Formats: sequence, structure tokens, C-alpha cells
Amino acid sequence: DTGVSQDPRHKITKRGQNVTFRCDPISEHNRLYWYRQTLGQGPEFLTYFQNEAQLEKSRLLSDRFSAERPKGSFSTLEIQRTEQGDSAMYLCASSLSGRNSPLHFGNGTRLTVT
Amino acid sequence: AQRVTQPEKLLSVFKGAPVELKCNYSYSGSPELFWYVQYSRQRLQLLLRHISRESIKGFTADLNKGETSFHLKKPFAQEEDSAMYYCALSPNILTGGGNKLTFGTGTQLKVEL
Repeated sequence: DTGVSQDPRHKITKRGQNVTFRCDPISEHNRLYWYRQTLGQGPEFLTYFQNEAQLEKSRLLSDRFSAERPKGSFSTLEIQRTEQGDSAMYLCASSLSGRNSPLHFGNGTRLTVT
Repeated sequence: AQRVTQPEKLLSVFKGAPVELKCNYSYSGSPELFWYVQYSRQRLQLLLRHISRESIKGFTADLNKGETSFHLKKPFAQEEDSAMYYCALSPNILTGGGNKLTFGTGTQLKVEL
């Protein structure tokens, strides 16, 4: 499968701990997106990169969240001092930068904060 | 602010019956509209987009700017259509925002035999 891959698939952590997720996009895609999805809701935009530049961040992305894409390839999303409200599915997607190029999603990382 | 509304959480139809999944949007401009689908245990994937004006797996969707709607339709439902369907909006590329999508809350389609 040469699609978007995310690691880990599941993460259970205790409140107050830090967690980091990884996303590997489709290799020729220069745009990479992070979304968060909670039960009964659609995916909510968090941030996106074009190559290594982080071009936009949502208000949902508090100071405890940081995302990087250091070499314009894979990306990491770190959550510091996790809270129970951070429990969600974190989705990564990638696309080409052409107009309306479709987003290709990964399977997501399910985070549970106890 | 942009918003996508899918009024039905669950839509249950019999096999062979017509399907219409409703989507309304709010956006001050000319957005691009999409339908994404998630089958059981699979990742979210693009079903169709309004600019393509195409039919995918028998589904079509017409953008109605007057009613700000982008309903998804299929004349005869099949069992394999059972899935979660999300309507999504992207800002007009000329106004920036990349291909960032705003999603609705989704409609679970259940096709019964």
C-alpha cells in the first residue's frame, strides 16, 4: 500500500503525558494536512504544510500542539501535557498542490487519554 | 465563516430504492464542494467533486448555488453503498487556503435487503 501511512494506529496515554504521532504522505505530494475527528463529528482541520512550511493553523491547535515537517516529507504532531479532551482520532492527509487536488487520507491514530 | 450541514445522521433505505444524502453549505464566495466516503474499516476517500461533474459508482451531485446545496443522489441503492458519507467544502483556490476542507458531521447510509 503506497498510500498515506500513520503511526501508531492506537495510543493510550495518561493525562499529563506527551505524545507524538507520525505521518508519511504519498511520496510525490507536497501538501500535508492534520485533522482531528471526535465521535459523531466530521474531521476538523488542524494545520497544513506545503513542503516544509506550515502555512496555516486552526484556532483548535492550542499551544500544547505542535506539528513539524522538517524535510518536507514525513510530519509529526506532538501533544504536550495531554488532557482527556484530546481523546480523538487524528487524521493525516496529503495532496498535490494543484487546484482542487484531492486529499488522500491515512487510517488515523486513535488517541485515548485516561 | 464556512459551514457544512448534513441534517441526517442516519439514512436507511431498501436495496433498489433511490438515495438522496443532503448537504447544505454556508460560504461567502464560490466554494468547491466534495463528497467523501468511508466504508467499514477503510480510510476516508474521495467519492466525487462538483467541478468534475462526473458520476462515480452511480452517484451524482449537483451544486445548487441558489439553495447552497450539494445533495448526493443515486437512483438505485446497492448493499455495497452502505457507508459513512461526508460532504466537504474547500475555499475557492483564488482566495487562498490551500485545499483545506471543512467537513459536515456525516450521514451513515444503511442499505437494507
